[in-house]
Amino acid sequence: ETGVTQSPTHLIKTRGQQVTLRCSSQSGHNTVSWYQQALGQGPQFIFQYYREEENGRGNFPPRFSGLQFPNYSSELNVNALELDDSALYLCASSLGTANTGELFFGEGSRLTVL
Amino acid sequence: KQEVTQIPAALSVPEGENLVLNCSFTDSAIYNLQWFRQDPGKGLTSLLLIQSSQREQTSGRLNASLDKSSGRSTLYIAASQPGDSATYLCAAADRGSTLGRLYFGRGTQLTVWP
Repeated sequence: ETGVTQSPTHLIKTRGQQVTLRCSSQSGHNTVSWYQQALGQGPQFIFQYYREEENGRGNFPPRFSGLQFPNYSSELNVNALELDDSALYLCASSLGTANTGELFFGEGSRLTVL
Repeated sequence: KQEVTQIPAALSVPEGENLVLNCSFTDSAIYNLQWFRQDPGKGLTSLLLIQSSQREQTSGRLNASLDKSSGRSTLYIAASQPGDSATYLCAAADRGSTLGRLYFGRGTQLTVWP
């Protein structure tokens, strides 16, 4: 069974640039959620994708956007990067949208904005 | 809005001690509560998932309990080992929110010394 994989593991950008982070969900999982974890904080929900559509969003501005592909993999795009966007970005997969299910997380992508 | 609090923020104990980590949540209408482990700079590893209809779950030396009426969950670690050193996060899946959205606490940073 393949777990959740994310790429890249680390990257450095400058203010105003754009970044794309990628996630492959665990085998058989069709739902992907993205979280942002600032240093010393708990993860914060960004949004979730199910059947290639956004299925709920946290308190993040529109410059945070995403995609889900037919193979259930997903991308997180952030435009006009700000210093406060520096964080660990975590992808989680689950089966379906029933909230009784368990979420499985990847190792994350560490973004540093200079 | 669901708020999750974890106490203590940090804990340092000698090897072999039994210990309890506390988690409280403000809205008792939850689907489930999940405990995670996070090693420095890494992703989240799921430890235990307690459904709203359950009172506790056990896995090896770990036992998690849930009391929805008081808005509390505890993670009990028996016979702690240096390898248990990590940050432990609890997260509530809210009935009133987007499916797949978890509300996290800031975590308890545990150090077990030999």
